Amino acid sequence: DTEVTQTPKHLVMGMTNKKSLKCEQHMGHRAMYWYKQKAKKPPELMFVYSYEKLSINESVPSRFSPECPNSSLLNLHLHALQPEDSALYLCASSTRGAPGEQFFGPGTRLTVL
Amino acid sequence: QKEVEQDPGPLSVPEGAIVSLNCTYSNSAFQYFMWYRQYSRKGPELLMYTYSSGNKEDGRFTAQVDKSSKYISLFIRDSQPSDSATYLCAMSGGGDDKIIFGKGTRLHILP
Repeated sequence: DTEVTQTPKHLVMGMTNKKSLKCEQHMGHRAMYWYKQKAKKPPELMFVYSYEKLSINESVPSRFSPECPNSSLLNLHLHALQPEDSALYLCASSTRGAPGEQFFGPGTRLTVL
Repeated sequence: QKEVEQDPGPLSVPEGAIVSLNCTYSNSAFQYFMWYRQYSRKGPELLMYTYSSGNKEDGRFTAQVDKSSKYISLFIRDSQPSDSATYLCAMSGGGDDKIIFGKGTRLHILP
């Protein structure tokens, strides 16, 4: 299995809702990432987990809360989002020692009303 | 000066032509150099991954890294309409798990 899966594919939520994005990989990768991508822009790093521990938080607002329950799963909990948070949210994974060789999921397209 | 510079295009070339995509960078600590391809509304797909300077070939794709000039290139031979996508260069090697992306070049291959 050489893919990263993400659910849901699309999500529409109101500013008072709480929702979660899910990411899963079974490649044995020990680094997992969340990115945010706006239209016609490159992916923007949000969080990095290394061996299930949060290693990088790129000063992301607390309305985004990541969680890594085990080495295969990564969640992003969303609460009280703003319309400007609407974007494609991408999950990626990589082996430690090969930081650039990241494998991306298809993304969740999030719309905040 | 941004860490990674990439012309956003769009770049339009006829089918069958050789495509040349380029990035420059400023951080001499970068050691890993990547090219990702991203189709509209999809996640990026890793095309080429190279360490340090040199060339790497994979089918119709060739990646070149010139660390002395801080310049990387991706060549696509015999370009096909299915190659139409955004190509993102990316680099890492600063001692953490981050990669730095270029802005991406939108490529259109005209049938």
